[in-house]
Amino acid sequence: DVKVTQSSRYLVKRTGEKVFLECVQDMDHENMFWYRQDPGLGLRLIYFSYDVKMKEKGDIPEGYSVSREKKERFSLILESASTNQTSMYLCASSAFTSETQYFGPGTRLLVL
Amino acid sequence: SQQGEEDPQALSIQEGENATMNCSYKTSINNLQWYRQNSGRGLVHLILIRSNEREKHSGRLRVTLDTSKKSSSLLITASRAADTASYFCATGEGAQKLVFGQGTRLTINP
Repeated sequence: DVKVTQSSRYLVKRTGEKVFLECVQDMDHENMFWYRQDPGLGLRLIYFSYDVKMKEKGDIPEGYSVSREKKERFSLILESASTNQTSMYLCASSAFTSETQYFGPGTRLLVL
Repeated sequence: SQQGEEDPQALSIQEGENATMNCSYKTSINNLQWYRQNSGRGLVHLILIRSNEREKHSGRLRVTLDTSKKSSSLLITASRAADTASYFCATGEGAQKLVFGQGTRLTINP
């Protein structure tokens, strides 16, 4: 069965802290994605990766960076968390030959 | 960039009724997908329809695509309480990137 896991369901951090959100998939998928979801704005793509050590900016990359050292793991990094980064963060993966994305359960991040 | 716009934003119906949600988009697409999200959870893929297809069925789901009008509809027949969720359309323009709409919040009343 397809599985995408995210390191935390809920996270509370302080302004200025460095935050790591981890995502792991067990489907040997080439593509991995990070989205944020806000009320009224839907899902917006932050970064995505087609392969190990590859990354591409999405629609809202400012304030974020990513790391993909292994095929199964894609990390989202908030270098210096700010209150406007309070959001639900969703990770997804897909196979190179498929358009269907599989999502993790999400991490609800609160920045105080 | 927001591509899909769902309509209505919220829909409330009685159990057993049919639910119809619509999605409009702006640019040419390779495919259009529908996803479901239960409250506070990740999204689950429901169905994919390609740009050269007009209609597709999966169980109680029926999706139509009209590329001339740049619109799609999702019909859920004989709704159940478990269908209560948010539904998102997502358009694929190439590669594997998807652009999601803002979603329709569906509530099924017992």
